[in-house]
Amino acid sequence: GAGVSQSPSNKVTEKGKDVELRCDPISGHTALYWYRQSLGQGLEFLIYFQGNSAPDKSGLPSDRFSAERTGGSVSTLTIQRTQQEDSAVYLCASSLDLYDHEQYFGPGTRLTVT
Amino acid sequence: QQQVKQSPQSLIVQKGGIPIINCAYENTAFDYFPWYQQFPGKGPALLIAIRPDVSEKKEGRFTISFNKSAKQFSLHIMDSQPGDSATYFCAASRGSYNTDKLIFGTGTRLQVFP
Repeated sequence: GAGVSQSPSNKVTEKGKDVELRCDPISGHTALYWYRQSLGQGLEFLIYFQGNSAPDKSGLPSDRFSAERTGGSVSTLTIQRTQQEDSAVYLCASSLDLYDHEQYFGPGTRLTVT
Repeated sequence: QQQVKQSPQSLIVQKGGIPIINCAYENTAFDYFPWYQQFPGKGPALLIAIRPDVSEKKEGRFTISFNKSAKQFSLHIMDSQPGDSATYFCAASRGSYNTDKLIFGTGTRLQVFP
């Protein structure tokens, strides 16, 4: 079946612009996670959703970052007033629910801020 | 504070060798320990996972060894192949409802030469 999809696959933006990154989880998966992977680094947790609510936003690096999920499916990660240090691969994962630990990742969105 | 420490950073073996990647964790509340495999330009893919009630788990050529008292776990790849060349991440998470995010190690880049 279809896996987690993310769009765009690549995004180049100028410093100071806002960007939106989209994630389509696996159908039927209620839990959705956002991670960030900087060059040569591990994966850093940003936020997760159970349904449309976000019980844990502790990983969001600043108030320029926000995320929402509507209809218990698609999620959007928004970065306002982008900075060069925001350049990274943003990965989305989904799992059947919060009790199912198996998280399935999408291919990621590579964000470059110039 | 890095909660999951992974070593080595890189590993080179010949085909047929048995690379071993080690991880250590600090939080005794962790109760789920997956390994992910990531190829360049792709999202991480779940390889194998273990819970602390067992000391070893095998799936094909991949084996996880778990030492609860030492708070360490490792990945062994039997009869390694060039196609196993990838970056491997260990991770850990708690099983509680409120925090199911994965805490990742920094990754090990494995190269298997023919």
